[in-house]
Amino acid sequence: SYELTQAPSVSVSPGQTARITCSGDALPKKYAYWYQQKSGQAPVLVIYEDSKRPSGIPERFSGSSSGTMATLTISGAQVEDEADYYCYSTDSSGNHRVFGGGTKLTVL
Amino acid sequence: VQLVESGGGLVQPGGSLRLSCAASGFTFSSYWMNWVRQAPGKGLEWVADIKEDGSEKNFVDSVKGRFTISRDNAKNSLYLQMNSLRAEDTAVYFCASGYCSGGSCSRAPTNWGQGTLVTVSS
Repeated sequence: SYELTQAPSVSVSPGQTARITCSGDALPKKYAYWYQQKSGQAPVLVIYEDSKRPSGIPERFSGSSSGTMATLTISGAQVEDEADYYCYSTDSSGNHRVFGGGTKLTVL
Repeated sequence: VQLVESGGGLVQPGGSLRLSCAASGFTFSSYWMNWVRQAPGKGLEWVADIKEDGSEKNFVDSVKGRFTISRDNAKNSLYLQMNSLRAEDTAVYFCASGYCSGGSCSRAPTNWGQGTLVTVSS
């Protein structure tokens, strides 16, 4: 079965840049999406189609994709950005949708 | 956009449960819809999706043959019928809509409800 791989945790100080990566064999051909989930809340879409930002998402959130890796970048991370972040994509056939295992971002 | 799930609860292994998701604030019939679940303390798992008109349905392998997804566009509602439930189905179940952009529509989860908890235990 298809898998997307994320590091379990990332830690940065406030104001630093946080980079969260997601690797998958089909990413050169399929879009990556990124979700933020704070404790006890529903996920929120922060990046779609690799690099597009939904309305209402702060400009410090950006996305990119190169080869088999997609990256979510939070420029000038803030304490309120502490959350779990998940990538989502599909396999090359388009038949299987998967989430990455999630990355816990700590900002302190 | 508002999505409100209901129907969760405690059920014994082997039992059945039907989840509902009431949609408002958007043209429900124009969007793919998804069910995504999250086991306690675990990550997100995509469960199923259904095309705008119900003509295409897809499931994660672990629920194929046990779960059915359906929608009633006249009632702006999405459903998940869960049969032969197992302990490993215990999770919060979220419904989520797809989106349309630039004239094309995607099934990727975009707007999410708050979820409903399903507990499978004897």
